[in-house]
Amino acid sequence: EVQLVESGGGLVQPGGSLRLSCAASGFTFSNNWMSWVRQAPGKGLEWVANIKQDGSAKYYVDSVKGRFTISRDNAKNSLYLQMNSLRAEDTAVYYCARAHSGSYPGAFEIWGQGTMVTVSS
Amino acid sequence: QSALTQPASVSGSPGQSITISCTGTSSDVGNYNLVSWYQQHPGKAPKLMIYEVTKRPSGVSNRFSGSKSGNTASLTISGLQAEDEAEYYCCSYAGSSTYVFGTGTKVTVL
Repeated sequence: EVQLVESGGGLVQPGGSLRLSCAASGFTFSNNWMSWVRQAPGKGLEWVANIKQDGSAKYYVDSVKGRFTISRDNAKNSLYLQMNSLRAEDTAVYYCARAHSGSYPGAFEIWGQGTMVTVSS
Repeated sequence: QSALTQPASVSGSPGQSITISCTGTSSDVGNYNLVSWYQQHPGKAPKLMIYEVTKRPSGVSNRFSGSKSGNTASLTISGLQAEDEAEYYCCSYAGSSTYVFGTGTKVTVL
């Protein structure tokens, strides 16, 4: 079964850091672009970042540039999001998503269940 | 990177067809045939329904179809069913390897 499982969310103070992980199974992880997409409580979806199959290219939404870093370990079938200098507006459910194998990186075909990040004092 | 504009809500009776619009600009929707649509039920992860404007992933009902004209993409649901009641989001490539989602549309089956 193709599956993505996120972990690492929690409560963190403003200015703090958190590292999210996403464990992939049921497919060849190294073959696909991977992304993080977030959803603030009661709000819409927002693309956060993506990373190429071999990790050689990474892209971010403007609001997280310089604060968040996406990475992957293909040997461990894992995707990561290092989040620094967290702000209240980063509070959201963070989803890990896999691109459609036969399409472009922004066709998010497989999604995890999400992990909640709350930034509050 | 402003969100694409969708109507807040659309409703229809069972069996009817409805269309959800997704309006962007010439920098995103209008410039690329890279629009996708997602269905999200409350408390669940989104599900890919349409990609590359018109393509359906394996397993998605052919009652769902996509199109685009100029800066506006559309999702049509035909033969509306109770299970189609959900939030729907469009998403477009916005250049420079970035993506932008729509504001979301709540579909209600009357």
